[in-house]
Amino acid sequence: EAGVAQSPRYKIIEKRQSVAFWCNPISGHATLYWYQQILGQGPKLLIQFQNNGVVDDSQLPKDRFSAERLKGVDSTLKIQPAKLEDSAVYLCASSFAMGPFLLYNEQFFGPGTRLTVL
Amino acid sequence: DQQVKQNSPSLSVQEGRISILNCDYTNSMFDYFLWYKKYPAEGPTFLISISSIKDKNEDGRFTVFLNKSAKHLSLHIVPSQPGDSAVYFCAASYNKLVFGAGTILRVKS
Repeated sequence: EAGVAQSPRYKIIEKRQSVAFWCNPISGHATLYWYQQILGQGPKLLIQFQNNGVVDDSQLPKDRFSAERLKGVDSTLKIQPAKLEDSAVYLCASSFAMGPFLLYNEQFFGPGTRLTVL
Repeated sequence: DQQVKQNSPSLSVQEGRISILNCDYTNSMFDYFLWYKKYPAEGPTFLISISSIKDKNEDGRFTVFLNKSAKHLSLHIVPSQPGDSAVYFCAASYNKLVFGAGTILRVKS
């Protein structure tokens, strides 16, 4: 079974530039998550999709971050414009379902995209 | 606010000995607790979990203990192996996963 795919793996940009990350979840997984992991911290949920609908985006800085999952499969996370504090690893994860936490809701993570903002 | 805390940034253990990683939480709404393992340049991978209605769950060399009254959980690895060297994240769930900052485990051979 193929895992969660993310691209690019690394990205370096200057502040105020725009950047986009792509994620392809495991086939058949309805739920997709984007996390931000700042150096020295644990992953923090930015947004959660169930199919192509947003379930939770309470921690997404909506003035600069946006995400979409138009066909309920792959997803794009965009930052526009980037700030220095956006330097982090952006992790995408997927799970078969959501709801009360059961074993089949296990989240599978991609390798992440390391973003450096100069 | 840090709802899930891992107070030890790093831990070094001799091969064959026990590794004990600790985690504290503050939110009583958490009903499921997980440990994830992360190697460099890879995403976290699920290791073991425990429901809030249990106090122990064992899977091979890995055992997770939950003390609800103290809002504390721990991961025991026995015996520790060099391949266990990684970052270990504690996570707690009610309607989403909340992660701790991680503990770097180094197992010396």
